[in-house]
Amino acid sequence: AQSVTQPDIHITVSEGASLELRCNYSYGATPYLFWYVQPPGQGLQLLLKYFSGDTLVQGIKGFEAGFKRSQSSFNLRKPSVHWSDAAEYFCAVGGSNYQLIWGAGTKLIIKP
Amino acid sequence: DVKVTQSSRYLVKRTGEKVFLECVQDMDHENMFWYRQDPGLGLRLIYFSYDVKMKEKGDIPEGYSVSREKKERFSLILESASTNQTSMYLCASRERGEQFFGPGTRLTVL
Repeated sequence: AQSVTQPDIHITVSEGASLELRCNYSYGATPYLFWYVQPPGQGLQLLLKYFSGDTLVQGIKGFEAGFKRSQSSFNLRKPSVHWSDAAEYFCAVGGSNYQLIWGAGTKLIIKP
Repeated sequence: DVKVTQSSRYLVKRTGEKVFLECVQDMDHENMFWYRQDPGLGLRLIYFSYDVKMKEKGDIPEGYSVSREKKERFSLILESASTNQTSMYLCASRERGEQFFGPGTRLTVL
């Protein structure tokens, strides 16, 4: 069955430190992969997406993600986090049909 | 920029009431979605519509119905609201695989 796993429910990082959020997926075909961010009390905004090509994807707000087919992973990274990055982050995988399969989300907490 | 709007940010209803949640998108997208979001459960798909008057059940359609009479508008209906439908409801439209979200409606059923 298709699934997305975000193993960390919460992550706490000091402001200025680097960040990596993990995402593993199970999908039979070549996936489309997404990371979305949800600031507190708001809707979801796309950070970045991978459809094909270069396995390192650049997104908005200084985020990037690396697609590793052999590990079925699509981890999100940022070299230096800012207090405004505190939010919930969702990984999703989709294919040729209409739907996306969503991870349960990782809540990022920033320590001053 | 794509804009997806939802009729209310916050809504409080009583058990047994009929509830309408409205969603409008301005980019002529064919596909639209309704999700509910609960802590620790991520986003769960209630219904989606791939075109006007077309709808498909998602993972948790029980207790909900939808209406898509015009391309830009996708409505979620709770026929008889119950307390276990207290949640955040998110609407999205889709183009080229990417989904665009509205701000969400936080519904409380008392």
